[in-house]
Parts: sequence; structure tokens; C-alpha cells
Amino acid sequence: DQQVKQNSPSLSVQEGRISILNCDYTNSMFDYFLWYKKYPAEGPTFLISISSIKDKNEDGRFTVFLNKSAKHLSLHIVPSQPGDSAVYFCAASSGGTSYGKLTFGQGTILTVHP
Amino acid sequence: DVKVTQSSRYLVKRTGEKVFLECVQDMDHENMFWYRQDPGLGLRLIYFSYDVKMKEKGDIPEGYSVSREKKERFSLILESASTNQTSMYLCASSRASWGPLHFGNGTRLTVT
Repeated sequence: DQQVKQNSPSLSVQEGRISILNCDYTNSMFDYFLWYKKYPAEGPTFLISISSIKDKNEDGRFTVFLNKSAKHLSLHIVPSQPGDSAVYFCAASSGGTSYGKLTFGQGTILTVHP
Repeated sequence: DVKVTQSSRYLVKRTGEKVFLECVQDMDHENMFWYRQDPGLGLRLIYFSYDVKMKEKGDIPEGYSVSREKKERFSLILESASTNQTSMYLCASSRASWGPLHFGNGTRLTVT
């Protein structure tokens, strides 16, 4: 049972435009959400996170939005750059009861064309 | 910066062999994790540990075991490797129940 789902396996965007990556979850116990970026032959690196008490968190070109009622989160990258091309994973945690373990989605391959 | 080091980048093993994947972190983190990454399935948790000698099963523990004898080191053991264990294995650590995991660069294991 996939508790965190990224329904788009891939996304292609022109440089300078907005990239929007989506993620849905089913477990209502999740209260902390993260996005990771992964380049080939490297481990995932943390990008941005959001707690369930917020609906938006921004860090430079990256903004994460959380819609708790819809159990949906999204990552916006503006403007997109070729170096953003990578696999993006969303992840969720139930916080203090979980020892920090994360449940990941399947990933979305983002390609930003020059 | 947190450094999580996995001892091998690539491993090729035969079916039935016992395989050890080693992971070391240098930030005195309490929690350590083993995930595997497969296309279309994302990252799936195999085992995690929240203290020395403590271990908990993740979502797909079958065919694996772990060992944590020292705080900085977390080993994944495949008792008898099978071809369906061919995968990318990722080790991670974290300090607390909140906050991001820090990942190593992964071990690409091929079982033939």
C-alpha cells in the first residue's frame, strides 16, 4: 500500500519557467513533509520541508505548499534551471513516534531544457 | 557537514552468498536507516535503528538483517543473496525524530 504517491513519473520544463511537482498521501498521521533531490550515482539530498501546522514554506527558488484537507503537497521551482534536472522524491513522517523514519514516494524525474 | 559513508559503491555477488553492506556516519546521530531504491517504487525502508544494539523492521525486512554494535556504524546483511535483491542500497542517519535524513551515496548491488 503506497502511502505517499507521486503520480507523475516525469516532467519536462523549459529553463526559466515554473516546475510544479505533486505528491499525495493517504496516512492522516503524517505531520511532517520533505522534498529530496537525487542526482545519478549520488544519495538523495534534502531540499525543503514543511510541518503540518503550516501551508507554505519558501526557500529561495523553492516553495512547498501543503493542503491537509486534500492530503496533497506540491513543490514549486521558480525559475527552473538546467541544474535542477534530477529525480525529486517527496517524503512524509509522523514525527515524534517514528524515530525520524520517512516514507517516500516513487519519485518524479525533472528535466529542465536550456 | 554530516558525512554518511557507504563502504562500497558497486558490488557484484552470486546467488546464495552472504553480503555485508557497511555504513558509517560521523555526526553522532542516534538514528540510522537502510533503504533500497528501485525504479517506479521510490525508496523503501528495510530496517532502522534508534540506538546501539536496537533495531526495528521497516516496510520490507524479509531477507535482510542488520547490526549496530557502535553508534556510528550500521550494517545491512543479506544472509543468502537472491537476484530480487539487486538494487541500489542507501544508508541514512538523523539526530532526532524531526528533521531530515542525511544519505550516503549508495551501494549498487548486483546479484547474479
